[in-house]
Amino acid sequence: EVQLVESGGGLVKPGGSLRLSCAASGFTFSSYSMNWVRQAPGKGLEWVSSISSSSSYIYYADSVKGRFTISRDNAKNSLYLQMNSLRAEDTAVYYCARFNGKYDAFDIWGQGTMVTVSS
Amino acid sequence: QSALTQPPSVSGSPGQSVTISCTGTSSDVGSYNRVSWYQQPPGTAPKLMIYEVSNRPSGVPDRFSGSKSGNTASLTISGLQAEDEADYYCSSYTSSSTFYVFGTGTKVTVL
Repeated sequence: EVQLVESGGGLVKPGGSLRLSCAASGFTFSSYSMNWVRQAPGKGLEWVSSISSSSSYIYYADSVKGRFTISRDNAKNSLYLQMNSLRAEDTAVYYCARFNGKYDAFDIWGQGTMVTVSS
Repeated sequence: QSALTQPPSVSGSPGQSVTISCTGTSSDVGSYNRVSWYQQPPGTAPKLMIYEVSNRPSGVPDRFSGSKSGNTASLTISGLQAEDEADYYCSSYTSSSTFYVFGTGTKVTVL
């Protein structure tokens, strides 16, 4: 079964750091670009960051540029998001999503992990 | 990069058709056929319903169809069913630094 499972969310104080992980299974992880997409409580989806299959190309939303770092370990079938200098507005459910070039769309999503930034 | 504009809500009775619009700019929807649509029932992760404007992944009912005209893409749900009640989001590639942009989301209610 094709699956993405996020972990690492939790409660953190403003200015703090958190590292999210996404474990992939059921497909050849190293063949796909991967993304983080977030959703603030009661709000819409916001694309956060993207990393190509070999980590050669990395993109960030302006709202997180300079504070978040996306990375991946193809040997461990894992995607990561290092989040530093967290702000209240970063509070959201963070989804890991596979980008399928055949569809030019995000075709597989994890269940999400909640990040709460509050003092 | 601003989010693509969708109506906050649409509703219809079972069996009817509803259409959700998704308005962007010449930097995204208007210039690329890289528009996709996602369904998100309450408390669940998004699910891909339409890709490249009008294509359905396997397993998606043919009641769901997509189209595009100029800077506006549309998702139509024909023969509305109770299970279609969910939030729907469009998404498009953008030539801006954002890479991909989502719509503001539309809540579909089955009356």
